[in-house]
Amino acid sequence: NAGVTQTPKFQVLKTGQSMTLQCAQDMNHEYMSWYRQDPGMGLRLIHYSVGAGITDQGEVPNGYNVSRSTTEDFPLRLLSAAPSQTSVYFCASRLRAGRNQPQHFGDGTRLSIL
Amino acid sequence: DAKTTQPPSMDCAEGRAANLPCNHSTISGNEYVYWYRQIHSQGPQYIIHGLKNNETNEMASLIITEDRKSSTLILPHATLRDTAVYYCIVRSNNDMRFGAGTRLTVKP
Repeated sequence: NAGVTQTPKFQVLKTGQSMTLQCAQDMNHEYMSWYRQDPGMGLRLIHYSVGAGITDQGEVPNGYNVSRSTTEDFPLRLLSAAPSQTSVYFCASRLRAGRNQPQHFGDGTRLSIL
Repeated sequence: DAKTTQPPSMDCAEGRAANLPCNHSTISGNEYVYWYRQIHSQGPQYIIHGLKNNETNEMASLIITEDRKSSTLILPHATLRDTAVYYCIVRSNNDMRFGAGTRLTVKP
């Protein structure tokens, strides 16, 4: 019963480096999304996908890229890391797009950019 | 999505019911009320959701007023492990906007 799996759990980067945060779900969910959470704040939506091959921007998309080549995986790419991207990143999924579907979250990736 | 207002913090005695209020006075007819909680820095955990009827599951009860402008999450017998930040969210589309939530502290 893996649910939503995020890797790595922790990462430290230098400014300007690139990296990919991995997210996988085994529940055959159509909808997946990425959030970031800064200290003392709620989650903010970065990007989301309503199905394989379809992605769209959320509230704070700048500096991040996503792709959805399979139903199971939804990686988040930081092209050129900046200290402002230091945050905790959460991936989420739900069965399908729509307002009557609860979301399931991963345990997060804690990212520090020096 | 409609905005929500929650008290920043609440205390509850262990074993007693915890009643967490949420105001969503601008909610529209097709928007659902969702409750999540976040324990320490873990990922948010889904608790319950509803449209206009009261709902109950193994974790909690959700009471929505008749005019749908407010709701209350009830944890019937709070335990120390229920200490968390509780988020009330009103959603009508793909997005899910999290506010600051209510920090519930269950005390022995």
